[in-house]
Amino acid sequence: SQQGEEDPQALSIQEGENATMNCSYKTSINNLQWYRQNSGRGLVHLILIRSNEREKHSGRLRVTLDTSKKSSSLLITASRAADTASYFCATPASGGSYIPTFGRGTSLIVHP
Amino acid sequence: DVKVTQSSRYLVKRTGEKVFLECVQDMDHENMFWYRQDPGLGLRLIYFSYDVKMKEKGDIPEGYSVSREKKERFSLILESASTNQTSMYLCASTIQRGLGFWDEQFFGPGTRLTVL
Repeated sequence: SQQGEEDPQALSIQEGENATMNCSYKTSINNLQWYRQNSGRGLVHLILIRSNEREKHSGRLRVTLDTSKKSSSLLITASRAADTASYFCATPASGGSYIPTFGRGTSLIVHP
Repeated sequence: DVKVTQSSRYLVKRTGEKVFLECVQDMDHENMFWYRQDPGLGLRLIYFSYDVKMKEKGDIPEGYSVSREKKERFSLILESASTNQTSMYLCASTIQRGLGFWDEQFFGPGTRLTVL
């Protein structure tokens, strides 16, 4: 029932650079969510984008959704060392339950 | 402040022991979830509950059971712990705003369980 997969698996950048990570999914969705997880901790919700939205912003975060390509991207602008974390997309499971399912995540390291 | 708490951050148990992981939320959410997280595998759903005394199996329920006697509390039970259940366990809660539309999930800090 897992739907979304993040890409790349790992990303290493310098402070001040932008970080882009992608999520691809298999079947139609009504919304997609992005979460962050700091090392060894629980997940924290970042942003929810509905299927009728194409782009959404929250501070330094920009999320896009392309339902025709079944993909989403998360852009973090002007990255900081504190952005170092794993990032997950969550999509409703296929098969009727619609329970949020998570990919394997993108591990982002931002070097100071 | 919104909060999901889990009974232990770290837990060490022996093979064959019965293990209880407790999760409590103070947001009056109907829906609660238990996930396990393993390196390279992401989060996998074990069980979820959409109301008191109601439960549904997730993707990997084998070896686990759950209990939801009160709305705010959702317990995960390992009847006879085994070494392959060594993992990070995450509890979450959320509101469902309509059929097929789940709101943001609030996660607890996680319990890192080691079974020796």
